[in-house]
Amino acid sequence: DQQVKQNSPSLSVQEGRISILNCDYTNSMFDYFLWYKKYPAEGPTFLISISSIKDKNEDGRFTVFLNKSAKHLSLHIVPSQPGDSAVYFCAASHSFYKYIFGTGTRLKVLA
Amino acid sequence: GAGVSQSPRYKVAKRGQDVALRCDPISGHVSLFWYQQALGQGPEFLTYFQNEAQLDKSGLPSDRFFAERPEGSVSTLKIQRTQQEDSAVYLCASSLPPSYEQYFGPGTRLTVT
Repeated sequence: DQQVKQNSPSLSVQEGRISILNCDYTNSMFDYFLWYKKYPAEGPTFLISISSIKDKNEDGRFTVFLNKSAKHLSLHIVPSQPGDSAVYFCAASHSFYKYIFGTGTRLKVLA
Repeated sequence: GAGVSQSPRYKVAKRGQDVALRCDPISGHVSLFWYQQALGQGPEFLTYFQNEAQLDKSGLPSDRFFAERPEGSVSTLKIQRTQQEDSAVYLCASSLPPSYEQYFGPGTRLTVT
């Protein structure tokens, strides 16, 4: 039973355009959500997070939106840059330590 | 300062061998986590330490898996009698409560032949 789902295994976007990565979850107890970015042969790197008491969090080019009623979150990257090409994982937690990760979306930003 | 380091980076084991994977967390981080990442999947939680205490080991797949952190810093994940299904990348992460942010190491890729 996959509690966190990323239904798009891959996404290609032109440089300068917006990238939108989506994530759905099933457990209404989740109260904290995170996005991680992963390059090949490296560990995941924290990107941005959001608490369930908010519906939006912004950090530079990265914005995360949370829709609790739909149990859906999305990561917007604008403008997209070639260096953003990586695998993006969303993760959810209802304790401060136990993350449930999605299967990842591979983003390719085309120059 | 240095990030989370893991060794070895790659390990090939014959089925039935025991392996030990090491994690050096960020200095001062009291929380330490182990994850298993199978090919094409996201990381899956294995176990969690706060200092030397193992507070959650619910994700360990079988009693062949054992983790320790005896002095509250370096941790070792041991897998006994390895099986082919143990082939995966094993990730270690550390954090400093109350932050939710976990800092990951580069992982150890284990291949069981």
